[in-house]
Amino acid sequence: KAGVTQTPRYLIKTRGQQVTLSCSPISGHRSVSWYQQTPGQGLQFLFEYFSETQRNKGNFPGRFSGRQFSNSRSEMNVSTLELGDSALYLCASSLTTPRGETQYFGPGTRLLVL
Amino acid sequence: QQQVKQSPQSLIVQKGGISIINCAYENTAFDYFPWYQQFPGKGPALLIAIRPDVSEKKEGRFTISFNKSAKQFSLHIMDSQPGDSATYFCASEASNTGKLIFGQGTTLQVKP
Repeated sequence: KAGVTQTPRYLIKTRGQQVTLSCSPISGHRSVSWYQQTPGQGLQFLFEYFSETQRNKGNFPGRFSGRQFSNSRSEMNVSTLELGDSALYLCASSLTTPRGETQYFGPGTRLLVL
Repeated sequence: QQQVKQSPQSLIVQKGGISIINCAYENTAFDYFPWYQQFPGKGPALLIAIRPDVSEKKEGRFTISFNKSAKQFSLHIMDSQPGDSATYFCASEASNTGKLIFGQGTTLQVKP
């Protein structure tokens, strides 16, 4: 079974631009969570989607948004990029809900904001 | 109440030795405690996880010890190997939130 895939793997943007990251969960998984990983802040939860609905959101500004499609694929969007948004963005999927079920992570998208 | 504190930040162990990483949590609503291993350029991969109804869980060379009253849990890697050199993250999750709260990570180096 294929793992979680994320595209693109690497991205360079400039301040003020916007970016869209994509995540394809493991086949059959319906829950997708997004995390931001930085050396200073570590791994931080962004939001979680299940059956196209955002069920939980972390403490990030409204510039960070996401959505999930009927095939469980998910996208994350960051508008008006700031230098501090440079990070590894990780997507994780789980079978039904991530409530105590294993979350399987993708390789991440490394975003550099110049 | 959402914090998970992990120590040490870095660890150097000789091949064949025992690696021990500790985590402490504050939120008593947490009821799922996984450990993830991350290699450079890769996403975190689940190593082992425990729920608070047991005090210990062992899978191969990896053991989680859990102390509910102290709100602490730890990862023990027995017979550590150079291939175990990676960054390890503990995490906690509460059933009513559905999100993982991660510790800051421990960089483990196993010397041959």
